[in-house]
Amino acid sequence: ILNVEQSPQSLHVQEGDSTNFTCSFPSSNFYALHWYRWETAKSPEALFVMTLNGDEKKKGRISATLNTKEGYSYLYIKGSQPEDSATYLCAFFQDTGRRALTFGSGTRLQVQP
Amino acid sequence: GAGVSQSPSNKVTEKGKDVELRCDPISGHTALYWYRQSLGQGLEFLIYFQGNSAPDKSGLPSDRFSAERTGGSVSTLTIQRTQQEDSAVYLCASSLGGGPSTDTQYFGPGTRLTVL
Repeated sequence: ILNVEQSPQSLHVQEGDSTNFTCSFPSSNFYALHWYRWETAKSPEALFVMTLNGDEKKKGRISATLNTKEGYSYLYIKGSQPEDSATYLCAFFQDTGRRALTFGSGTRLQVQP
Repeated sequence: GAGVSQSPSNKVTEKGKDVELRCDPISGHTALYWYRQSLGQGLEFLIYFQGNSAPDKSGLPSDRFSAERTGGSVSTLTIQRTQQEDSAVYLCASSLGGGPSTDTQYFGPGTRLTVL
């Protein structure tokens, strides 16, 4: 069973703070890394799909980096806003024949106005 | 266009009863996935359908769980003889069908199942 770890488990920040969290995954047979945002009472929403070592993706104030050799991805939020409050999930696909994403348990972000 | 829909949104049942959860994927999406999230856990893969291929059932936790996808569209997840540990949010997702590795998955709002 693959082990995808996310840290921290939860995070409280003030509006305007920049923040980042980590997703760690096995570096062997890496194929793809996904980030999703899951707001309370809504559906998980895709943020990024990353496949290449050194990849950087950006969507507004949110960006992500990928290091496949050491097995981690960082998600950054610049100038957090209350509407950024959500659980951020990463999911990993490993090229081993199992045709499914393995999700981490998420980082719950709360942005205080 | 319409997103992924799921019904019911909430289901409370008694231990031992059977339940059916429904998923309507985005039109044109050939891939469909079922996941569940138990309290304090991450999303757990259950089953994956791709077109007319045999589904990947490797995530189903027991033989009480089954799923079908009729006509390549609507899917039903059935849990027989429910147990309290089946209580979870069951999420359905669909994608264009390029493959679960890099396809963006579009999730439904989920069905919250509570087994008393």
